[in-house]
Amino acid sequence: GQQLNQSPQSMFIQEGEDVSMNCTSSSIFNTWLWYKQDPGEGPVLLIALYKAGELTSNGRLTAQFGITRKDSFLNISASIPSDVGIYFCAGQSFQGGGADGLTFGKGTHLIIQP
Amino acid sequence: DTGVSQDPRHKITKRGQNVTFRCDPISEHNRLYWYRQTLGQGPEFLTYFQNEAQLEKSRLLSDRFSAERPKGSFSTLEIQRTEQGDSAMYLCASSYTGSQPQHFGDGTRLSIL
Repeated sequence: GQQLNQSPQSMFIQEGEDVSMNCTSSSIFNTWLWYKQDPGEGPVLLIALYKAGELTSNGRLTAQFGITRKDSFLNISASIPSDVGIYFCAGQSFQGGGADGLTFGKGTHLIIQP
Repeated sequence: DTGVSQDPRHKITKRGQNVTFRCDPISEHNRLYWYRQTLGQGPEFLTYFQNEAQLEKSRLLSDRFSAERPKGSFSTLEIQRTEQGDSAMYLCASSYTGSQPQHFGDGTRLSIL
């Protein structure tokens, strides 16, 4: 199935550093979402974006919905050990084809060295 | 308010057997979605329900797969004549409406021997 282009695939950073990851698509989406998944668990919603150009924060997390509606980024400031995990972007469109299911990226694996 | 609940968490079965998974969505959520996730990949959409109506099926949902949501509350996903390639995590998600964010359960991990 179709997937979004998410980068980087993995990041090795020091505790306290800022993190940036992004997602691009060849298709337009009406909604962009960012999830975090820990091993053996389901994805947990971090931020939902509904409008092109929207910039939304959730604590140390900030995400933006790209103006073209084909991309989004997620920033994490001052990373801490519990930020370790896999971060997924997901896009949702509401076209006539009934594409209400989310399209996910392959994930960014964040590893933090103390 | 409890989250999305899935049962069982793990299922190991022999190739050719039938398996059934259950999902209980967040209370009052009208939309219920099924996804499949293989190792190193993001979840892939399978199908979704609006109340008891199944409104969309992905091409990934072969005819060995069937999903139901008979009373518009919990849902079941059945896989008949399981194959090695069916080994994956099966995730369920729910949302209040189609435009509201989807919240996921912890999944059922299926292993085919």
